[in-house]
This record gives sequence, C-alpha cells and structure tokens, in this order.
Amino acid sequence: GAVVSQHPSWVICKSGTSVKIECRSLDFQATTMFWYRQFPKQSLMLMATSNEGSKATYEQGVEKDKFLINHASLTLSTLTVTSAHPEDSSFYICSARVGSLPHEQYFGPGTRLTVT
Amino acid sequence: GEDVEQSLFLSVREGDSSVINCTYTDSSSTYLYWYKQEPGAGLQLLTYIFSNMDMKQDQRLTVLLNKKDKHLSLRIADTQTGDSAIYFCAESRTGGGNKLTFGTGTQLKVEL
Repeated sequence: GAVVSQHPSWVICKSGTSVKIECRSLDFQATTMFWYRQFPKQSLMLMATSNEGSKATYEQGVEKDKFLINHASLTLSTLTVTSAHPEDSSFYICSARVGSLPHEQYFGPGTRLTVT
Repeated sequence: GEDVEQSLFLSVREGDSSVINCTYTDSSSTYLYWYKQEPGAGLQLLTYIFSNMDMKQDQRLTVLLNKKDKHLSLRIADTQTGDSAIYFCAESRTGGGNKLTFGTGTQLKVEL
C-alpha cells in the first residue's frame, strides 16, 4: 500500500512552453501533498506544500506564478511549470502525506524535466 | 536556518558494514530520518528516530544519534549489492509544519 505515482516520468519541452506534472496517491487519500525539486548530486528542496481544496503554500524563493500547483482532489495534485526555461530543467518529486506526521509521507518516483 | 550535511560518496565491499554519517544544525529537530533513493523509485523511508533516543536497531540497520554533537549515523550490516543507492538523512521539527529538511545525500556503492 501507500503508492504514489507521477506522470510523466520524463518530459522534454521547448523554452517558453508549459509542462504539467501529475502526482497521484493510488491507494490512499492525501490531505497534503508536497512538491520537491532535486538537482544532480544535491538534496531535495521543498518547493511548496499543497492542501486539498486550498491554495498551495510556497517556500521562500519559489515563484508561485511560475510553478502553479493545483490540488483538486484527495488523490491528485498537479504542478505546472509555466513558460519553461532551461534553468527549470530538474528532477521534480512529489510526496503525499496520509496523516500529520512527517514520516507518514510517501514519495513518487519523480519526473525528469528537460527544457531545450 | 536548518542545514543538513552528508559526505557525498561511500564505497564498501559486499559483506562489510557501511556507515553513513550526517550532521545537522537545528537543535529543535524532533525526528531524524534515513531515506533510500534508487533510480526509478520514490524515496523509501528506511527508519527514523525520535530526538530523545540514542539508538535504534531494525534488522541490518542501526541508527545512532548524538544530540549533543548533532550527529546522526546509519550503519548497514552485511552490506549487499542491492543496498547500492543514494541515502538521505532528513530532519523535522514541530513548529516547522512537520516539513522535512533533507541532507545532501550519500551515494553508496557496494562492490563485489
């Protein structure tokens, strides 16, 4: 149980276009989902916390107009990278939390975004 | 702010023990975690320790916490090739929204 999927697993897009990444909790309902960004050989950096039915809370330095997050249901959150640029190329990871404790968080396999 | 540091790389022979170290700066950390990241798979929670504990053992995994020195370690006994992965330590604190702050990750390579 507690499986989180992401789609797509990788995507290549051109500069200036927008890309949507989906995060789904497959066998549980998640009131809270998180979006992280991971650079090569670096840590996961939390971008935003998303609660179902409310606006996402973004971490300092993350542009909310560039990284649009929608948490429409208890099993689906989406991250849209708008007007993508090569510097947005990264590995994006989502997680879904089933309870209120940090270790009740389950991670998706990640989405590799390459902007050309 | 919070800062969690790890060494980047560790190489061990199959059957030996691996010790992955982590230092953190936030003395108000409540829980400390070890995650495993393999290609194509989501981060997997291996184990976690509450900050008032010194040690936790779970099969081949032993976690040691030195709260005074803000040092956390993960020992993997009888390391196998399937243990090759990136290992992240992480911390959370109450009052921090129960968010996780991850370390820089240690790439463990197990050689035959």
